[in-house]
Amino acid sequence: SAVISQKPSRDICQRGTSLTIQCQVDSQVTMMFWYRQQPGQSLTLIATANQGSEATYESGFVIDKFPISRPNLTFSTLTVSNMSPEDSSIYLCSALPREGREQYFGPGTRLTVT
Amino acid sequence: GQNIDQPTEMTATEGAIVQINCTYQTSGFNGLFWYQQHAGEAPTFLSYNVLDGLEEKGRFSSFLSRSKGYSYLLLKELQMKDSASYLCAVADSNYQLIWGAGTKLIIKP
Repeated sequence: SAVISQKPSRDICQRGTSLTIQCQVDSQVTMMFWYRQQPGQSLTLIATANQGSEATYESGFVIDKFPISRPNLTFSTLTVSNMSPEDSSIYLCSALPREGREQYFGPGTRLTVT
Repeated sequence: GQNIDQPTEMTATEGAIVQINCTYQTSGFNGLFWYQQHAGEAPTFLSYNVLDGLEEKGRFSSFLSRSKGYSYLLLKELQMKDSASYLCAVADSNYQLIWGAGTKLIIKP
């Protein structure tokens, strides 16, 4: 298993600013992912954070808007850039342990853009 | 395209049994997952099926039929704390998870 922490847990930001969300795993993991979840809806994968290389983005998400870093096997950041109210959502980090098959999730970051 | 369908909402009575269905159409199949998500919390892993049949884990069981593209999650002896959303997800040919919209389960006393 893996224990995942995220910072901040929540934030209220102004339109046009950027926020960086941190995700820390308590063990080395193979893969890390970033999701977005609107209230009452399911998970939408933003990107897969690749260690030492550029993240792999899903359709509809671009690096300029959601730059991602993964400097090592236990840490990743997601930046939400030039925010608009439409970016208000819960952002979740998840990780797939080396010997595992299921993803483990962090507690999420609740972002409100005003 | 890839698609996962599950009911939006279900209601059941405390102490009873409920079955949450999930049907899927994906490009490849490398297993089906069920997650539980309480309001305001992160999803937590419940079960994994990759072969046909029933997997039992305490009060929860999960069934898979690959030929039918069908799975269900069975919850027995329902408790109020089982009120949550239940998410079905399929790992496709690239091992990427495709998520259903989730089923909100409401337990009534």
